[in-house]
Parts: sequence; C-alpha cells; structure tokens
Amino acid sequence: GAVVSQHPSRVICKSGTSVKIECRSLDFQATTMFWYRQFPKKSLMLMATSNEGSKATYEQGVEKDKFLINHASLTLSTLTVTSAHPEDSSFYICSASPRGRGRLGGYTFGSGTRLTVV
Amino acid sequence: GENVEQHPSTLSVQEGDSAVIKCTYSDSASNYFPWYKQELGKGPQLIIDIRSNVGEKKDQRIAVTLNKTAKHFSLHITETQPEDSAVYFCAASRTLNSGGYQKVTFGTGTKLQVIP
Repeated sequence: GAVVSQHPSRVICKSGTSVKIECRSLDFQATTMFWYRQFPKKSLMLMATSNEGSKATYEQGVEKDKFLINHASLTLSTLTVTSAHPEDSSFYICSASPRGRGRLGGYTFGSGTRLTVV
Repeated sequence: GENVEQHPSTLSVQEGDSAVIKCTYSDSASNYFPWYKQELGKGPQLIIDIRSNVGEKKDQRIAVTLNKTAKHFSLHITETQPEDSAVYFCAASRTLNSGGYQKVTFGTGTKLQVIP
C-alpha cells in the first residue's frame, strides 16, 4: 500500500514556458502532500506543503507565483513551474502520507521529475 | 526549526562488511525518525523508521538505533551487498495530535558504495 505516482518522470521545456507536474496518491487519501526540490548530490529541500482545499504553505525563499501548487482533491496535487528558466532545472519530488489516526508508515515519495529548461 | 546533520557524506565498504551512518537532530520534540534510500534518478524509498519510544529496531540486515537523550540516531547495515549502493538520507519529524506528521527535515545524505 501507500503508492505515490508522479508524472512526468522527465520533461524538457523551452525557457519561458510553463510545466505542470502531477502527484497522485493511488491507494490512499492525502490531505497533505509535500513538494521538494533536489539539486545534484544534495539533500531534499522542502519547497511547499500542499493542503487539500486550501492554499499551499511555501517555505521561505520559494516564490509562490513561480511555483504554483494546486491540491484540488484528496489524491492529486500539482506543481506548475511558470515561466521556467534554466536555473529552474532540477529534480522535483512529491511525497504524501496517509491520513487518519494511528496510521503508521511515514511518508511515501513519488519517483521524481527531472526538469530541464533549455 | 529542526536541523539534522548526517555523517559521513561518503562511505565505501567491502561487500559483506557492515556500514554505519550517523545523524544528530536539534529539536527535542522530534519523535519520528525515518531512513530513506535513494537510487540514481529515483525518489527516496523508506527503508526503516523508528519512533522516540523505542531505542532500537531491526529489519533483517538493517537496524536503527536512537539515543533520545543525546539526540543521536544511526543506521546499521550488515552483510552489505552491491545492491545496497545508493544515497541514504536520515530524517526527523514530529507527529501531530491528529495522527499525521509535520514536515520532514532531511539530513545531507550519505553516498554508500559497496565494493564487490
């Protein structure tokens, strides 16, 4: 159980365009999902916390107008990188945890999306 | 906020030997400590976790220990195999009363290489 599906796995886009990344919880409901960014050989940096039915909570230094997050249902959160530039090229990863009291298992991560902006 | 330090950053061991990765955390309220394995180009996978009411947990070749007083926790892999080669991340988090979890703070990662 607790599978998180992330798409696409790789995307190449032109500078100035927008890219949408999807994160789905396949066999559980997630009121909260998390979006991370990972630079090569570095740890995961939390970008924002996606809350179902409400606005996302962004970490300090993360531009909310550039990284749009929508969590419209209990199984889907999307991250849209708007007006992408080469410096936005990175590995983006989402994670989620089943909700509910007593649920064990911590966070499940998606397989990540490698974004390359050319 | 929470700060998690992880050592070493790289670790090479001969196949069959043991590997130990150590982490420290700063927030005494943290009570959930997962360990993740990340292979190249993939998302992290949870391999083992421990809660603050437990001092040690073992799952086959993998074990984790927690010293809550010292705010230290460690990952031990015995009888290492080449397929254990990956980047390992420790993390710290705190459960909410609702049963969910606060955001996870990750360590800086350890690249483990198991030499055949």
